[in-house]
Amino acid sequence: NAGVTQTPKFQVLKTGQSMTLQCAQDMNHNSMYWYRQDPGMGLRLIYYSASEGTTDKGEVPNGYNVSRLNKREFSLRLESAAPSQTSVYFCASKNRGRDYGYTFGSGTRLTVV
Amino acid sequence: GEDVEQSLFLSVREGDSSVINCTYTDSSSTYLYWYKQEPGAGLQLLTYIFSNMDMKQDQRLTVLLNKKDKHLSLRIADTQTGDSAIYFCAERGNNYGQNFVFGPGTRLSVLP
Repeated sequence: NAGVTQTPKFQVLKTGQSMTLQCAQDMNHNSMYWYRQDPGMGLRLIYYSASEGTTDKGEVPNGYNVSRLNKREFSLRLESAAPSQTSVYFCASKNRGRDYGYTFGSGTRLTVV
Repeated sequence: GEDVEQSLFLSVREGDSSVINCTYTDSSSTYLYWYKQEPGAGLQLLTYIFSNMDMKQDQRLTVLLNKKDKHLSLRIADTQTGDSAIYFCAERGNNYGQNFVFGPGTRLSVLP
């Protein structure tokens, strides 16, 4: 099925460990995004990539890095995980100019202990 | 910066109408959106309204937009238990490549 695929679905890390969250879309979308969702705070943008080869910071980029590997894949890396990064992470994609066309992945639930 | 506000919880009886409200700050938003998130899942676009419209109806869903008051509402007629979910209001922001700005979400509980 066409859509946005995120891996892993669940992860527990110890403080200071590193990990990469993977995201891939098969809809030929230009733009991809990483959000984090925390209770009562909605979704906050971490990083985005407007097109292949470009990445930009969003609202809450500290502690994260991203790579737009190709048009399909956009990964999010935590170099040294902290308990404040415990959250649910969503990847999304859309076509440029399609203002109603966001497609979300099913999320990665990350716990940092 | 942009801000979107919603109440966090709403409970209704099955068969009643639900009304979820939202206020936003950016008067230049061209589209406003409602997303639905079911437990353990990502967000799905439910409906959207263009800023030159006052109302949009789609089966059991009615979206009302009051641009003067920057108020958006989502009415769900004949609410069913399958409508239990978190509903997010969103506007197109001016920062970060004009990405969406989401409200905190309203958790709708439908009681039998």
